[in-house]
Amino acid sequence: DSGVTQTPKHLITATGQRVTLRCSPRSGDLSVYWYQQSLDQGLQFLIHYYNGEERAKGNILERFSAQQFPDLHSELNLSSLELGDSALYFCASSAGQGKETQYFGPGTRLLVL
Amino acid sequence: GENVEQHPSTLSVQEGDSAVIKCTYSDSASNYFPWYKQELGKRPQLIIDIRSNVGEKKDQRIAVTLNKTAKHFSLHITETQPEDSAVYFCAARKGVGNNNDMRFGAGTRLTVKP
Repeated sequence: DSGVTQTPKHLITATGQRVTLRCSPRSGDLSVYWYQQSLDQGLQFLIHYYNGEERAKGNILERFSAQQFPDLHSELNLSSLELGDSALYFCASSAGQGKETQYFGPGTRLLVL
Repeated sequence: GENVEQHPSTLSVQEGDSAVIKCTYSDSASNYFPWYKQELGKRPQLIIDIRSNVGEKKDQRIAVTLNKTAKHFSLHITETQPEDSAVYFCAARKGVGNNNDMRFGAGTRLTVKP
């Protein structure tokens, strides 16, 4: 157990819908990262937040957005969902301030029908 | 942005043999290179990492080497065991301070045959 939690574990929805994925980082970690992993694919970096501020953006679609709240948990919002958005979404956290090791949560498996 | 290439995509070895996975990166500003192991249906877990001021790091049967000039780094697993079977990802981090942009390779599926 990495100490990073994600909810829900599984999510089934329809095309055109909107969902919110939630992540709680390890206690004391200030950085949160979001990744997308499609079937048998690698990890695509989406976005990085540090202490509430967006710090780096990867291959995140405009239909996707994220935020990190004052209590440091983060949410990833996916809207106008398409079949191709079906994937495993991982959140990771790190301490920040030079400590880069990222610890991954168990992931949320999203299925868009 | 950073581009990380990883080879091979699949690797099959006999138990007890060594396995080597290689990655190259494009951005010379990258300064941190972790390796993750992901078992089927589970989260990626860090197995070893190296920073750009170090050329080699070893942890029991696992070692990582970094060649900054050539911009490549490798994972070496010796005396492989069936439980080493998993997908391995390399990654390169470009960033300063708390601006982290971590890019992952496409992964290597390692199978260790008993």
